[in-house]
Amino acid sequence: KNQVEQSPQSLIILEGKNCTLQCNYTVSPFSNLRWYKQDTGRGPVSLTIMTFSENTKSNGRYTATLDADTKQSSLHITASQLSDSASYICVVIHSGGYNKLIFGAGTRLAVHP
Amino acid sequence: SQTIHQWPATLVQPVGSPLSLECTVEGTSNPNLYWYRQAAGRGLQLLFYSVGIGQISSEVPQNLSASRPQDRQFILSSKKLLLSDSGFYLCAWSDSGVETQYFGPGTRLLVL
Repeated sequence: KNQVEQSPQSLIILEGKNCTLQCNYTVSPFSNLRWYKQDTGRGPVSLTIMTFSENTKSNGRYTATLDADTKQSSLHITASQLSDSASYICVVIHSGGYNKLIFGAGTRLAVHP
Repeated sequence: SQTIHQWPATLVQPVGSPLSLECTVEGTSNPNLYWYRQAAGRGLQLLFYSVGIGQISSEVPQNLSASRPQDRQFILSSKKLLLSDSGFYLCAWSDSGVETQYFGPGTRLLVL
């Protein structure tokens, strides 16, 4: 069964600290993996996109890693800011026919001053 | 640049009433269009997708239907809402053949 699991479910950190969010998937065949940021009550916005041949991708203070052998990805946030408070969703693209996105349930991050 | 609109932003409806949520995309032609539902604490679930006018594919059996009367318009409907239809509904688009999807602002539906 194609699934995406994220951990932790929620996380609270202090402003300026770093954090790492985890994503494990069982999607096959796999095309690429994305991390989205979703502010409360808004639609998700793409942060990073990685194909199976890429190990790491950065977007400012966000760095995503991918291990296609173990089917694990992580999103590292450096020097967190209050505006980083949001849900972070791991999405794996199932490469079968049309572009079917398999969504994780997300990690809800709260950055406190 | 491309933009995607959804309305209404929030909606409170009684059980058994009809539903119509609208999504429009600007700045692109012949996009793939998608309707998702996001329940609290759950991942987004794909409800419908469309690769062209009048072409609708349903992912899961449910109380909802979708229509695409124009190239850049996607409508989610129901004849009689159920309590379980409550949730956050997201419309998304992508260029045909390209996997990146762009999401609208969403509609929060509460069925009482």
